Amino acid sequence: AQSVTQPDIHITVSEGASLELRCNYSYGATPYLFWYVQSPGQGLQLLLKYFSGDTLVQGIKGFEAEFKRSQSSFNLRKPSVHWSDAAEYFCAVGGQAGTALIFGKGTTLSVSS
Amino acid sequence: EAGVVQSPRYKIIEKKQPVAFWCNPISGHNTLYWYLQNLGQGPELLIRYENEEAVDDSQLPKDRFSAERLKGVDSTLKIQPAELGDSAVYLCASSPNSGNPETQYFGPGTRLLVL
Repeated sequence: AQSVTQPDIHITVSEGASLELRCNYSYGATPYLFWYVQSPGQGLQLLLKYFSGDTLVQGIKGFEAEFKRSQSSFNLRKPSVHWSDAAEYFCAVGGQAGTALIFGKGTTLSVSS
Repeated sequence: EAGVVQSPRYKIIEKKQPVAFWCNPISGHNTLYWYLQNLGQGPELLIRYENEEAVDDSQLPKDRFSAERLKGVDSTLKIQPAELGDSAVYLCASSPNSGNPETQYFGPGTRLLVL
């Protein structure tokens, strides 16, 4: 079955501390991986994506993610979290152009001062 | 370039009433998606269009939900009659379908509350 697992429902990080959000996927074809962020009352904004090539991808707002095929993982990282990063983060996997994305249940990030 | 536009942003209705949501995708994007996002969950596909053709509607509850994309541009999603359990966020997304792979771009969503 195709699925995405985000093991952490809620994470709290101190401002300025590093962040890692976990994502594991199960997909029968070549996976194309995405991280989206959703602020309260807003739609989904693309943070970064992995299609092929370098397994460490850079995104907007200082985020990066590493694709590890052997572990079926695509974890999101940020070296120093800002209060404005508080939001809900979704990992998603898709296939060929035009196929639907399969999303995880999301991780809510809170940032403490 | 304008993003995906959705309206209304918020809708409150009583159960058994009809409701409709509208989506205008990014110009030139042939593929349009409607996703349902329940509280505390990730989005799940309801229906996908390639131009004006619904190519994947397997997850659309057809007894009460319907959708159309008559001219292959904007789209309308309708619920009739609405039930309490339909309270959720309805997200529209589009992609160019110009190659493999590609990114889906999401609109702000319509937040529906059924009382």
